[in-house]
Order: sequence, then structure tokens, then C-alpha cells
Amino acid sequence: SQKIEQNSEALNIQEGKTATLTCNYTNYSPAYLQWYRQDPGRGPVFLLLIRENEKEKRKERLKVTFDTTLKQSLFHITASQPADSATYLCALTTGGGNKLTFGTGTQLKVEL
Amino acid sequence: GAVVSQHPSRVICKSGTSVKIECRSLDFQATTMFWYRQFPKQSLMLMATSNEGSKATYEQGVEKDKFLINHASLTLSTLTVTSAHPEDSSFYICSARTSGGLYNEQFFGPGTRLTVL
Repeated sequence: SQKIEQNSEALNIQEGKTATLTCNYTNYSPAYLQWYRQDPGRGPVFLLLIRENEKEKRKERLKVTFDTTLKQSLFHITASQPADSATYLCALTTGGGNKLTFGTGTQLKVEL
Repeated sequence: GAVVSQHPSRVICKSGTSVKIECRSLDFQATTMFWYRQFPKQSLMLMATSNEGSKATYEQGVEKDKFLINHASLTLSTLTVTSAHPEDSSFYICSARTSGGLYNEQFFGPGTRLTVL
């Protein structure tokens, strides 16, 4: 069966450290993978997209890697800040690129 | 740019009533809109995909007669939850996509919290 798995347990880190979140998938062959941020009671906000032929993508303090052999994406936030505290969702394109299928998300808490 | 709004943001209704949720793309034309549902501590689950001027395509297990979707214009889609029951209480989120966008990027609305008493 198809699965998109993210750490269900919350990730607590200290301000200034690098947060690393994991997204693993099975039985998908996505053309690209996306990461979103979701705050409580709000819709997801797009952060980064990485294509299947890209190994790494960066945007300011964010970095995403995509390993199609391992079927895994890592999402890094460097120099983390309390304002980075949120739930982070990975999403795969499915249905010929017309649909997004989301993982369950990982809650990140950055403490002072 | 690429702002999507939803109205209302929060609604409480009695069991058996119908509720309409609006999704609008404010500064672009959305050829396709998507409706998702999210239960507490769970991920977004796609309910249906709607293209302007045509019938919505529903995901498996989603009752099309219960969740009526209308996408009458390029900037507006509505979801009507008919004869709502407490189990329909959830967070409903829409997204919109424009044709020709890079990677079929979707822009999400802020969500609507539905509580059915």
C-alpha cells in the first residue's frame, strides 16, 4: 500500500540549532515533493518544492534533500527560531501531477 | 499574489442542517480547486477536485450527494455539507491552482472550522 510517513512525535529543539525533519514514502514515484508549514487552525503554506532529478534545494534558512533511491526527503531549518514552531507537512504529487497527497506532519517546537 | 480566501472561517450548526463554505482565489484565475478535510492530529485528506464549469471528481469514500461542490467561476468554488452530522465536524481547507503554473503549485485557503452539534 502507499504510505507517506513523517515522525508523529513532536520534535523539540533549542533555538539556534538545526531542525531536521524526515519524510519517507513507499509505493510512490513522485515527480516532485513539496514541504508546507501549517500553524494551528490555519491552512498549509508552501515552503519548498524539489523535483525528482534534484538532490538538494535551498531557500534562506531552509534546505530540502530528495533521495529517490531511499524514497526519502529531509527538511532542514538552520539557526532555528521560536517563530519556526509549527507543523511541517511533506506532500507528494500523485495522479499524474494533478493531486497532492500529504504526510501526517511533524510538529516542531523551538525553545528558547 | 496567489491569495485564496475562505468564508466563513468558523461555523457552528445543528445536526441535520446544511452548511455552505466558499473558496475564492483573490488575485488569479483558478482553473482547478481542491477541497480537503483535516481531522485533529491528522493530515489533510483530499475530498474532491473541481474544474471550472464541470462536475467535481470525488475521492474514494467521499459521498458526492453529501458534499456538494460547485465551481461556477474561475475565482469561486463552494462546498455544501448537506444534512450535517457531528461526525462531519472537521477543518475544511480549499486550494486553488492556475493553469500554466510551475509544477502545478496549489495555493491554500486559511480553512473553515465546522462544528456540528
